[in-house]
Amino acid sequence: NAGVTQTPKFRVLKTGQSMTLLCAQDMNHEYMYWYRQDPGMGLRLIHYSVGEGTTAKGEVPDGYNVSRLKKQNFLLGLESAAPSQTSVYFCASSYRTSGAYEQYFGPGTRLTVT
Amino acid sequence: EDQVTQSPEALRLQEGESSSLNCSYTVSGLRGLFWYRQDPGKGPEFLFTLYSAGEEKEKERLKATLTKKESFLHITAPKPEDSATYLCAVRYSGNTGKLIFGQGTTLQVKP
Repeated sequence: NAGVTQTPKFRVLKTGQSMTLLCAQDMNHEYMYWYRQDPGMGLRLIHYSVGEGTTAKGEVPDGYNVSRLKKQNFLLGLESAAPSQTSVYFCASSYRTSGAYEQYFGPGTRLTVT
Repeated sequence: EDQVTQSPEALRLQEGESSSLNCSYTVSGLRGLFWYRQDPGKGPEFLFTLYSAGEEKEKERLKATLTKKESFLHITAPKPEDSATYLCAVRYSGNTGKLIFGQGTTLQVKP
């Protein structure tokens, strides 16, 4: 039981390049989330999904797209990277059962855009 | 506006010196308050969920409590391995499980 895994762990991009971050969970969770964490800003929600085939915008969605084609996977895409997207990205997942919404996080992806 | 504020930003303790971290929140209709621990270079690790005022949860040297306006994470006789950033989050939306996070308190426990 690996929990939540993220690929890659580190990445350096040049401005304008694109990339996809992969999140996978083996806990059969319905909900999945993408956050970014920046110094002094805390964790901010980018996009989330309440089930396979559904996605929704979070607090800071601009410049990002997501897809959830399979229940266990949640992809975060950057179509044209900007230096402002330099950050640590975390994926999380949770159950949908009544009251139990604690989120379980992956190890993070450190992205640098030059 | 829904908001979560943690204090202090940083806390230095000697081993064995008990203290408390604070998480104050302003949300319309609290549906759950969560505490996480984050070690450098790692993802947040779930610690506790509190749902109603007066509720308490304990785990080893940590005890979380909840009132109508704030939550406290009490650390009793801390050890150096308790050094980490502690994050507080509140659930603020119906059935999506979305959370608002505070900025965290970085705890350093010196031997």
